[in-house]
Amino acid sequence: QKEVEQDPGPLSVPEGAIVSLNCTYSNSAFQYFMWYRQYSRKGPELLMYTYSSGNKEDGRFTAQVDKSSKYISLFIRDSQPSDSATYLCAMSAGTGTASKLTFGTGTRLQVTL
Amino acid sequence: KAGVTQTPRYLIKTRGQQVTLSCSPISGHRSVSWYQQTPGQGLQFLFEYFSETQRNKGNFPGRFSGRQFSNSRSEMNVSTLELGDSALYLCASSRQGAGEQFFGPGTRLTVL
Repeated sequence: QKEVEQDPGPLSVPEGAIVSLNCTYSNSAFQYFMWYRQYSRKGPELLMYTYSSGNKEDGRFTAQVDKSSKYISLFIRDSQPSDSATYLCAMSAGTGTASKLTFGTGTRLQVTL
Repeated sequence: KAGVTQTPRYLIKTRGQQVTLSCSPISGHRSVSWYQQTPGQGLQFLFEYFSETQRNKGNFPGRFSGRQFSNSRSEMNVSTLELGDSALYLCASSRQGAGEQFFGPGTRLTVL
């Protein structure tokens, strides 16, 4: 079993919809949680960064971390065709190994007109 | 502020050769991490360098190595290339290692 599980999709939604992306994990040492967006043949782009539990909002994006359930989510409001990409969750543990990100497999999102 | 840059962007090599990839982090960032991305395995951590020292290492064979210079620029080297080494190699920089990591565009390596 992988440390981080993520549904690969594809997930297809109409423009304007609210998108919910999720990851579960098994390593209780994870403290840093990130969401990246990756367009085809490009490097991942950091969207959201959260330390420990809680919610964080940035524009149309909201990240949630529930450490008790080992579950993280990314919500995208008012989705746009330009949001069509692969979304990767990533996480790392604490002191000394915080740089070692463990990634989910990525969810491919398609926002249609 | 300039982002993370990687050179070259594309490489084609043959089995048995070696290759060196370069990464320049964001100014002020002292930590550089390297990742391999393949369709089958996804993104996997190779190693991290901080202040010219390897601080963390993933589960890759010794053919994969790296180094960091005093200006925080980093190189990774793969010796005795195998077909399975074909991948997108990404580097990421951060201020201290913990916290936000910013990725470069990657170097796409094809081994024939």
